[in-house]
Amino acid sequence: EAGVAQSPRYKIIEKRQSVAFWCNPISGHATLYWYQQILGQGPKLLIQFQNNGVVDDSQLPKDRFSAERLKGVDSTLKIQPAKLEDSAVYLCASSFRGTDPNEQYFGPGTRLTVT
Amino acid sequence: KNQVEQSPQSLIILEGKNCTLQCNYTVSPFSNLRWYKQDTGRGPVSLTIMTFSENTKSNGRYTATLDADTKQSSLHITASQLSDSASYICVVSNFGNEKLTFGTGTRLTIIP
Repeated sequence: EAGVAQSPRYKIIEKRQSVAFWCNPISGHATLYWYQQILGQGPKLLIQFQNNGVVDDSQLPKDRFSAERLKGVDSTLKIQPAKLEDSAVYLCASSFRGTDPNEQYFGPGTRLTVT
Repeated sequence: KNQVEQSPQSLIILEGKNCTLQCNYTVSPFSNLRWYKQDTGRGPVSLTIMTFSENTKSNGRYTATLDADTKQSSLHITASQLSDSASYICVVSNFGNEKLTFGTGTRLTIIP
């Protein structure tokens, strides 16, 4: 079974530039999550999708971050404009509700460096 | 406020030795507690998941314990290997909304 795929793996941008990350969840997983993991900290949930609807985006900085999951499969997370404090690893995870609730499978992450 | 605290922050042990990582939480209402292993540059991978009624669960050389009364958990690693070098994250799930609260992790380094 293929895991959660993310791209790019690494990205370096200057502050005030824009960046987008892509995630392809495990086939059949209805729930998709985006997390931000700052160095030395645990992941922080940014947004949770159930199919193509948003379940929780309470910690998403909506003035600069946006995310979509138009067809209920792939998802993109965008930052515009980026700030220095956005430097972090952005993890995508997916889960299949109906078996083990909330057993989340994580992708390898995208490491973003804002200079 | 829901919190998960882990100790120690970092640990260095010799290959072949055992070690125990600690996790204290204040998440309520409680649904389940899981331990994740996160290799450098990789996403977290689930090691064990324990519900309220489970006191211990093993996955190979990894054994997790849960004391729901004192809200404490531990992860014991037996006969450590170089590949065990990673961050170990304790995560607690809320009953009802299944929101996850992550600890900051313990950085474990195994030296030959």
